[in-house]
Amino acid sequence: GEDVEQSLFLSVREGDSSVINCTYTDSSSTYLYWYKQEPGAGLQLLTYIFSNMDMKQDQRLTVLLNKKDKHLSLRIADTQTGDSAIYFCAERFMEYGNKLVFGAGTILRVKS
Amino acid sequence: SQTIHQWPATLVQPVGSPLSLECTVEGTSNPNLYWYRQAAGRGLQLLFYSVGIGQISSEVPQNLSASRPQDRQFILSSKKLLLSDSGFYLCAWRVGSSGANVLTFGAGSRLTVL
Repeated sequence: GEDVEQSLFLSVREGDSSVINCTYTDSSSTYLYWYKQEPGAGLQLLTYIFSNMDMKQDQRLTVLLNKKDKHLSLRIADTQTGDSAIYFCAERFMEYGNKLVFGAGTILRVKS
Repeated sequence: SQTIHQWPATLVQPVGSPLSLECTVEGTSNPNLYWYRQAAGRGLQLLFYSVGIGQISSEVPQNLSASRPQDRQFILSSKKLLLSDSGFYLCAWRVGSSGANVLTFGAGSRLTVL
């Protein structure tokens, strides 16, 4: 089946690290993505990782992929108030026009 | 540069009224186009996708339909809206089928059915 699961809410203090977790179902997924949605806006791609990688780092963002457990995480270092948003994990399916299946999103709240 | 536009941004419609949401893409040709819906407190659900003019695939049976009259235009419609059609509708596009094929989203259209 197609099911991407995420924790619904995370609250951190400014300057701390945030870790958002995600589990997915399709072991054949080639790419996994993290998107960010600010209030009232569309989704903005943050980063993605190819399935043959275990880790990808991009400035303050670190993505970890555990294919055995089908677990994906996004770590945001030195979290800022501007990072407050909803974060979506998504996996890509090769059929159905290469559709993305999204999780329900994790609300990140950063307290100053 | 490539851009994606959606309109209207906000819409309030009575139950039973028709709907038309439009999405256009600029700066690219032959994109794959997608309509997603985000219901309150839920993730994104794929409604329709299109790989070319006149080619529409539906993910789930529902009260909505989609059309692609031009290469870079994707329209979401309904003849009679239901309360359950309320949500945030997002159009997205992608070019090709190789590589990471990042989906690029529009700003969304918020529909409230009363």
